[in-house]
Amino acid sequence: GENVEQHPSTLSVQEGDSAVIKCTYSDSASNYFPWYKQELGKRPQLIIDIRSNVGEKKDQRIAVTLNKTAKHFSLHITETQPEDSAVYFCAAISFQKLVFGTGTRLLVSP
Amino acid sequence: SAVISQKPSRDICQRGTSLTIQCQVDSQVTMMFWYRQQPGQSLTLIATANQGSEATYESGFVIDKFPISRPNLTFSTLTVSNLSPEDSSIYLCSGGTARNNEQFFGPGTRLTVL
Repeated sequence: GENVEQHPSTLSVQEGDSAVIKCTYSDSASNYFPWYKQELGKRPQLIIDIRSNVGEKKDQRIAVTLNKTAKHFSLHITETQPEDSAVYFCAAISFQKLVFGTGTRLLVSP
Repeated sequence: SAVISQKPSRDICQRGTSLTIQCQVDSQVTMMFWYRQQPGQSLTLIATANQGSEATYESGFVIDKFPISRPNLTFSTLTVSNLSPEDSSIYLCSGGTARNNEQFFGPGTRLTVL
């Protein structure tokens, strides 16, 4: 089955810096890769996703890139703000079920 | 995005009892799932809730411990049976569509077993 690895597990940046979180997947048939943001005590929120027919997708300060050959995808956050502090999860679809990475705790310091 | 509600939001239960969690989704959802998230951990899929038939369980999860119902397209329940302290966790339902694979989560149920 699908296996998703995510790193780093924790990431500390200064406000205004960029943050990059990387994930790899094992199933070459996976074709959908969402990213979720989970604030403390809240539900995971879908913030951006990418499908296998696209190499990059942007939404304001966040972007996701996908390299199908290498089977890895990344989340890029530019101009980070304290409110970006949260745990971020990547995921990959396998037989219509999401397989999640282990999560990255992002801390943005003012 | 889909609107997903879940109740109760939290509960404290005694060992050996059971807790039933309800999940309601809006009409655009066709698929429903149940997850467990232990403190500080990622999300682990328990099962896919199938409308009108038995749920499809992931490895390590069994129907006797986690019976699931989905009597119609927009409603599902998860029961955590014969509770032990190891069952203390957050349980989340999610809804999605097979058309675009997007999944949205309910607010979660925080279960504490004493």
